[in-house]
Amino acid sequence: DIQMTQSPSSVSASVGDRVTITCRASQGISSWLAWYQQKPGKAPKLLIYAASSLQSGVPSRFSGSGSGTDFTLTISSLQPEDFATYYCQQANSFPPAFGGGTKVEIK
Amino acid sequence: QVQLVQSGAEVKKPGASVKVSCKVSGYTLTELSMHWVRQAPGKGLEWMGGFDPEDGETIYAQKFQGRVTMTEDTSTDTAYMELSSLRSEDTAVYYCATIGSGSYYTWGQGTLVTVSS
Repeated sequence: DIQMTQSPSSVSASVGDRVTITCRASQGISSWLAWYQQKPGKAPKLLIYAASSLQSGVPSRFSGSGSGTDFTLTISSLQPEDFATYYCQQANSFPPAFGGGTKVEIK
Repeated sequence: QVQLVQSGAEVKKPGASVKVSCKVSGYTLTELSMHWVRQAPGKGLEWMGGFDPEDGETIYAQKFQGRVTMTEDTSTDTAYMELSSLRSEDTAVYYCATIGSGSYYTWGQGTLVTVSS
């Protein structure tokens, strides 16, 4: 099974900051990677699919990059509504696997 | 667009079973691939199983093999996830989610299952 490792596990940032979260797969997954945002008490929300494609309705300050084993999610200018936990997920093969999550907190 | 509405919270005793439902609207269940993901309190997301359209089968995570059953009622467009032999570690929010091109694009609101004596 493919394992997904996210870093950091948490990050403190201020409104307007650029934030980068990384995700590493235990083996190559081409561009089969998705990113989700989850706020407390809510279901996850798809942000990015196929490593770099923005889901409809998601603000353009979110972007994804990478292929193979190393991926990044970047928030170009952090907004108050972006404080949440972010998860990556490999979509290359069964079983799907999620990273451990990165909590973006207010500095 | 697809909407998923799940059944309400459950409290179960250890050893019991729970069956969570997920009602689809906007599409028919036959047009979708449904999966189930759970999240223990304060923890991350854990895939439990789901339909693999390439194989035409429902695949379960090894961890839940023998304890979980995922079914669908196409007459009511409702998916079900039943977990048996519950233990305290099964206390979690259970989500249904539709998958397309490997990504979960629509999620249910979640169902809290509490296992406590």
